[in-house]
Parts: sequence; C-alpha cells; structure tokens
Amino acid sequence: DAKTTQPNSMESNEEEPVHLPCNHSTISGTDYIHWYRQLPSQGPEYVIHGLTSNVNNRMASLAIAEDRKSSTLILHRATLRDAAVYYCILRDDNQGGKLIFGQGTELSVKP
Amino acid sequence: KAGVTQTPRYLIKTRGQQVTLSCSPISGHRSVSWYQQTPGQGLQFLFEYFSETQRNKGNFPGRFSGRQFSNSRSEMNVSTLELGDSALYLCASSLLAGGISYEQYFGPGTRLTVT
Repeated sequence: DAKTTQPNSMESNEEEPVHLPCNHSTISGTDYIHWYRQLPSQGPEYVIHGLTSNVNNRMASLAIAEDRKSSTLILHRATLRDAAVYYCILRDDNQGGKLIFGQGTELSVKP
Repeated sequence: KAGVTQTPRYLIKTRGQQVTLSCSPISGHRSVSWYQQTPGQGLQFLFEYFSETQRNKGNFPGRFSGRQFSNSRSEMNVSTLELGDSALYLCASSLLAGGISYEQYFGPGTRLTVT
C-alpha cells in the first residue's frame, strides 16, 4: 500500500486559510488522493478526492502537484469547527472500500 | 437520508467473552467496511463486505469475523476477547457503481471496553 507523510500537527487562526500538506512520493498511476477528517468524538468524514487535476467542493480545495508526488488540502477560511485530525489517503479504486489511514495532521484553530 | 447507525454505542465486556456489533448502512449503500481505532495503532481496516461477500480483509486474527445480510446490514463478532481489543469500532458504508467507489460514510462507532 502506498504511503503518505503528513505533519503531526498544525495551527491556524480562525477565518484564515489553511494549507495542509501531504507527501506521497510512491504514488502509482491508478491511486486517487483522498482526504478525510475526524472531528473529536466522531467517525471520520469525507472531505475531497482527486486524481490529477485540482478539485474544489463546498468544504475545501485539493491542489495536486504536477508529478502527483504531493498534494495540499486547502481550507479557505478556517472555523473552530474545522479543528480535527486530517488524513491524506491513497486509494486504488480496485481496493473497494479499504482505506489505509496514517497518523494524520491534527489541526487546531485559534479564535 | 439517515446516516450510518451503529449499535450499541458503548459496551463493556470481560476477557474471554465474545461480542457482536451491528451496523446499518445508509439506505441504498451496498458496501460496509469495519475499522478499529486505538490510541496506539490509529485507524486500522478490519474487513469489507459487499453483497453479502467479504471483499477485503485486514491483518487481524481470526477471532475477528463479520457478515453482511441481504439488506446490507452488517455485524462483526469478536470472540475470546482480550484487553487489547478495547477500542472504538467504526463502520463505514459506500455506494459502489461499476466498481468505482467514492466516499465512505462513517458511523459514530461503538466504544468497546474489555476488562
């Protein structure tokens, strides 16, 4: 299973943008980049996913490097509710529902 | 649309006992996956069921088993409980279309404590 590397923790101020990095130098051509987050005392929650092009949705944006060896999850205006552990996961869709979680980045948001 | 539900939410068992946890996926979802979350090991994949068949299995001993019913509801069973089985057990469901799966929707989990 391809591995990802994320910083253990990051801090942000409320209403400022947050850039959460992820390195995945061994990514293969069929791996999708998925992001999930886990708020305190809850199950993980899907955030966004992409393959090669940058992606936007109502929650966040995903910027993927041209060589696909790294990606960045962008929260455009952090709120206190965005404080969570963010997981960057590589998935080959032939794996079905299997997600391999790393340690993730714990994001804290200061008011 | 109702989310993924898991029962019970909390459970206390004694070493050597067995336990069965239940998961009801989102209506229309046919894939159900199970995960174990502990402070030391983080989130680890247990197994996935699709159309009543196990599709994927993680690296857990045979004491951990599961099944899926025709209505897509799933159960996981842990026999001969050990102290190390104390964890949050999470269930996730997803809609599969043509072999391409998208997001997994997680339930709130069952907190199992083994004493």
